[in-house]
Amino acid sequence: DAGVTQSPTHLIKTRGQHVTLRCSPISGHKSVSWYQQVLGQGPQFIFQYYEKEERGRGNFPDRFSARQFPNYSSELNVNALLLGDSALYLCASSLDDGGPLHFGNGTRLTVT
Amino acid sequence: GIQVEQSPPDLILQEGANSTLRCNFSDSVNNLQWFHQNPWGQLINLFYIPSGTKQNGRLSATTVATERYSLLYISSSQTTDSGVYFCAVEGFSGGYNKLIFGAGTRLAVHP
Repeated sequence: DAGVTQSPTHLIKTRGQHVTLRCSPISGHKSVSWYQQVLGQGPQFIFQYYEKEERGRGNFPDRFSARQFPNYSSELNVNALLLGDSALYLCASSLDDGGPLHFGNGTRLTVT
Repeated sequence: GIQVEQSPPDLILQEGANSTLRCNFSDSVNNLQWFHQNPWGQLINLFYIPSGTKQNGRLSATTVATERYSLLYISSSQTTDSGVYFCAVEGFSGGYNKLIFGAGTRLAVHP
């Protein structure tokens, strides 16, 4: 079975632009969560969705938004990009609301 | 919010050595997970261990929830064990249940 897949793998954007990151969970997993990891730090929680409803939100500005689709895939959107948004964005899925998390390989976003 | 502290921050081992990584957390948590991030950035779930002891090959983990700590044991370390080990706890913070990661232990295993 395929693991968690994320696209794109790398992305370069300019300050002020908008970006959409995509994630497909492991087949059968109903929960998707998003994390931001800057160099040298642990991942920071951004959002969690379970059964297409938002179940958690981290300390990120309103420029960050997400949604989960009927097939349980998810998008993370970031508006008005800042240099500080440069990071590795990780998506994780779990079978239920809670339980072991399985991560994708991430999208590395560079904002110039 | 919940604080997660990992120690040591850095660890250098010779192949074949054993090590213990520690994770302390500041409040009651729903669950605790250990992850290994390899040098290519891939995060692998090692253990889902809200309490008790689990073993998987050369790795084992123990969580003592009442004392708010968890330990990850690596025996007979190999160069492929190199990378960063993260502890993450799920707790109630900022109005939501969320998974909070520690800063990690960076492990280098030399041949």
